[in-house]
Amino acid sequence: EVQLVESGGGLVQPGRSLRLSCAASGFTFDDYAMHWVRQAPGKGLEWVSGISWNSGSIGYADSVKGRFTISRDNAKNSLYLQMNSLRAEDTALYYCAKGGYYDSNANWFDPWGQGTLVTVSS
Amino acid sequence: AIRMTQSPSSFSASTGDRVTITCRASQGISSYLAWYQQKPGKAPKLLIYAASTLQSGVPSRFSGSGSGTDFTLTISCLQSEDFATYYCQQYYSYPITFGQGTRLEIK
Repeated sequence: EVQLVESGGGLVQPGRSLRLSCAASGFTFDDYAMHWVRQAPGKGLEWVSGISWNSGSIGYADSVKGRFTISRDNAKNSLYLQMNSLRAEDTALYYCAKGGYYDSNANWFDPWGQGTLVTVSS
Repeated sequence: AIRMTQSPSSFSASTGDRVTITCRASQGISSYLAWYQQKPGKAPKLLIYAASTLQSGVPSRFSGSGSGTDFTLTISCLQSEDFATYYCQQYYSYPITFGQGTRLEIK
């Protein structure tokens, strides 16, 4: 069974940093792109960032570019999101999701983890 | 960025109804479109990808169509478990973008 488990969320002050992790199992992790998607309380879905299978292609939403860094460790079947200079508007549930196979543009998201909550507040 | 606009934003329907949700892209995205269902407190679930391909395990009452800029998600006979929020997503180009969501409520 494919499983994605996020961790690392919590309460953080504005301007501080946080690192999210996503542990993957049940599939060949290094064959697939991976993504972070967030959802602010009571709001819709917002794609945050994605990384190809070999880290050769990376993308960010404009809202986080320059502040967030996505990375992966294929040896550890893990995905990361380093979040710096956090703002109140970054408060959201952050989901990890499996994307497309190798270099395909098949970046629909399936499955999703259960999410980790990030709250940015003083 | 490609803007995805869903309509309606919310509506009410009854069990057994046929419902259609529309998603429009601000520029052509070929068939690089997916649909998701999200229930309160749960992660989104993939229903359809490549505009019209039903994800394994998803009931056949769900169907998708369209290409280019205009897409639809149809539920042929609403069941009680279908009352949820639905999102479209384009993966034609980065940044990947979602529609604002359509909340389907019980009438």
